[in-house]
Amino acid sequence: AQTVTQSQPEMSVQEAETVTLSCTYDTSESDYYLFWYKQPPSRQMILVIRQEAYKQQNATENRFSVNFQKAAKSFSLKISDSQLGDAAMYFCAYNGAGNQFYFGTGTSLTVIP
Amino acid sequence: EAGVTQFPSHSVIEKGQTVTLRCDPISGHDNLYWYRRVMGKEIKFLLHFVKESKQDESGMPNNRFLAERTGGTYSTLKVQPAELEDSGVYFCASSQAIWDEQFFGPGTRLTVL
Repeated sequence: AQTVTQSQPEMSVQEAETVTLSCTYDTSESDYYLFWYKQPPSRQMILVIRQEAYKQQNATENRFSVNFQKAAKSFSLKISDSQLGDAAMYFCAYNGAGNQFYFGTGTSLTVIP
Repeated sequence: EAGVTQFPSHSVIEKGQTVTLRCDPISGHDNLYWYRRVMGKEIKFLLHFVKESKQDESGMPNNRFLAERTGGTYSTLKVQPAELEDSGVYFCASSQAIWDEQFFGPGTRLTVL
């Protein structure tokens, strides 16, 4: 079975600085998708960024980018120019052939003004 | 466009009672998923509907859980009888097609006393 590991339960970053959240996963599949979801205190989870495993180019969405290392099974999220609104719980997720989402345990990000 | 909605937002019940959670997916989304997050742990997949059919229910913990999606629109998840370990946040998500981004509801926080 696939597993997703987020080794940082909590992280903090100074406003306007850059922070990287780590995620590793385990799978024997070759085609899959990876996601970062954000859950602000209001609880609705929203998609931050998505990466197709067959694409070598790292996905970017404005201030959010990923470092996808397929061989190492690593999928880290970099948040540049951090803003107060970035404070949330961040979940890394894997979606493979079974179409189930496998989630990590989450990283709680605090942004310090 | 309305997002995924869930009702109730919170439910507190006593062990042995019955609770029914409801999820309204985004209109037109054939795929509907239920997930659960127990405190401090990862979000775990429960089951997946395609329209009114159960595509995958491998994550359902036991036969105290019953999910339905009559007519392929909204879905209900009934827990009967509830046990202490059923406490957690139950998330619903929907997608237009398999492999698409899943849009999550705000979750229902279930507390079993």
